[in-house]
Amino acid sequence: AQTVTQSQPEMSVQEAETVTLSCTYDTSESDYYLFWYKQPPSRQMILVIRQEAYKQQNATENRFSVNFQKAAKSFSLKISDSQLGDAAMYFCAYSGGGADGLTFGKGTHLIIQP
Amino acid sequence: GAGVSQSPSNKVTEKGKDVELRCDPISGHTALYWYRQSLGQGLEFLIYFQGNSAPDKSGLPSDRFSAERTGGSVSTLTIQRTQQEDSAVYLCASTLGLEGNTIYFGEGSWLTVV
Repeated sequence: AQTVTQSQPEMSVQEAETVTLSCTYDTSESDYYLFWYKQPPSRQMILVIRQEAYKQQNATENRFSVNFQKAAKSFSLKISDSQLGDAAMYFCAYSGGGADGLTFGKGTHLIIQP
Repeated sequence: GAGVSQSPSNKVTEKGKDVELRCDPISGHTALYWYRQSLGQGLEFLIYFQGNSAPDKSGLPSDRFSAERTGGSVSTLTIQRTQQEDSAVYLCASTLGLEGNTIYFGEGSWLTVV
C-alpha cells in the first residue's frame, strides 16, 4: 500500500520569505501522480500544484513550485514570497489512478508571520 | 454545478441517531469519493463510485456506514446509530474519472455527535 509522510506538523515563515514543505512517499508503481492541496479554515481543499511522475521537469504555478526527486521518492513544495493568505494546512497526496483516489499525508500547518 | 456541493455544512446529532450527508458533484464528473477527516488528521478514504460500476466500499469503517449514488450524480452518505468517534468532517470529491485526473473537493460536512 502507498504511504505519504509529512514530517513537519507545523512550519512558520515571515511574510515575503520562502518556505519549503517536505513530503516523502512510498510506492512500487512507476507511473503515478503527486499533488499538494491547501486547506484554509474554510475546510475547502484547494489544489495548489500537481506533478506527473513520468515528467522530469518540476511543476510550477506562480509562487508555488515543487522539487520532485523520483528516486528518493520526495516531493517538496516551495512557496516563494509568502503571503498572509498562504496560511493554511497543506496536504501532500499520491494517486496511482483509479479506485484508490488519493492517499494523503497528515498535513503541515503553515503559519505566516506578518 | 460550478463546484462540488455538500449539505449540510454543519450537523450536530445525538449519539445513536442516524444522519445523512449529501454530495452533488461537478456536472459531468463520473467518479465520486467520500473521505473522512478527523480533528488534526489527514484524510481517510471511505468509498468510491465510478459511473455505474459497483462502488469500492473498502474504506468504510463499519457496517453502520453506507453510501449510494443515484443516477450517477448525487450521492448520500448515511451513518446509522452514530457514535462520538464518528465526529469529523466528511469531504466529498469528484473527478472526470480519468487516470491521474485532478480531484475536486467540496467544503465538507462537519458532523458532531454529542
